[in-house]
Amino acid sequence: QVQLVQSGAEVKKPGASVTVSCKTSGYTFTRHYIHWVRQAPGQGLEWMGVISPSTGRPTYAQKFQGRVSLTRDTSTNTVYMDLTSLGTEDTAVYYCARPGDDYPFYVYWGQGTLVTVSS
Amino acid sequence: DIVMTQSPDSLAVSLGERATINCKSSQSLLYSSNNKNYLGWFQQKPGQPPKLLIYWASTRESGVPDRFSGSGSGTDFTLTISSLQAEDVAVYYCQQYYSTPQFTFGPGTKVDIK
Repeated sequence: QVQLVQSGAEVKKPGASVTVSCKTSGYTFTRHYIHWVRQAPGQGLEWMGVISPSTGRPTYAQKFQGRVSLTRDTSTNTVYMDLTSLGTEDTAVYYCARPGDDYPFYVYWGQGTLVTVSS
Repeated sequence: DIVMTQSPDSLAVSLGERATINCKSSQSLLYSSNNKNYLGWFQQKPGQPPKLLIYWASTRESGVPDRFSGSGSGTDFTLTISSLQAEDVAVYYCQQYYSTPQFTFGPGTKVDIK
C-alpha cells in the first residue's frame, strides 16, 4: 500500500534552517508528484510547493520563493523540504501529499511533521 | 492566483440534521476540454492529515459514507452532509486543482454538534 512517512518533530531557533523528509513506498516513485502543505496552529492549509520525482524539477509558491527548496533522492524514494531563515511564523505542521493514480487530488498524506520555531 | 472562500466559518448542527458548506472560487474551475470541475473537498480531524472526501466536485472517494455529497459547477460549490453523525465533527476544506500546480485551499469550515 502507498505510504508517505515523514521525519520527526523539530525545534529550531529563529534564523535557522530545517529539513523535513518524506519517505515514500508502495508505488513507483517517479510516477507521481509530491506536494508540500503546511498548517500553522489553529489555522488553515497552505500550499508550499511541488516536486517532480522523475525530473527533480520543483515549483514553489511565490510566498516561499528563495526560502524553500525541494529535492528528491531516487535511490531511497525520499523527498526533502528545506526551509531557511525560519521565523516564529513558520511554526506549523508540514505535510507531504501525493495525488491519486488517476486524478490530481491529494489522496495520500504523510503523518505531518511539527516544526516549532522559538528562541 | 485563484482565491478560494468558504461560508460559513463555522456551523453547529443537531445530530441527524443536514449540514451545508459553501465554497466559492475567484475564477471558474470547470475545464472545458473534459467538462470536469477541478474542485475537491477534505475533512480534517484534530491531529490528523486531511482526508479526501469528494473530487471532481461531486464524485465521492472510495469508502466515504454516502451521507457526504458534493455539488456545484464553475465558481460555486457545496458540500452537504445529509444526516450529521458525531464522527463528522471536523474542519472541512475545499481545494482547487485548476491552477496547476498551485492548488489553493479554502480557509475551512468548522462543523460541530448543536
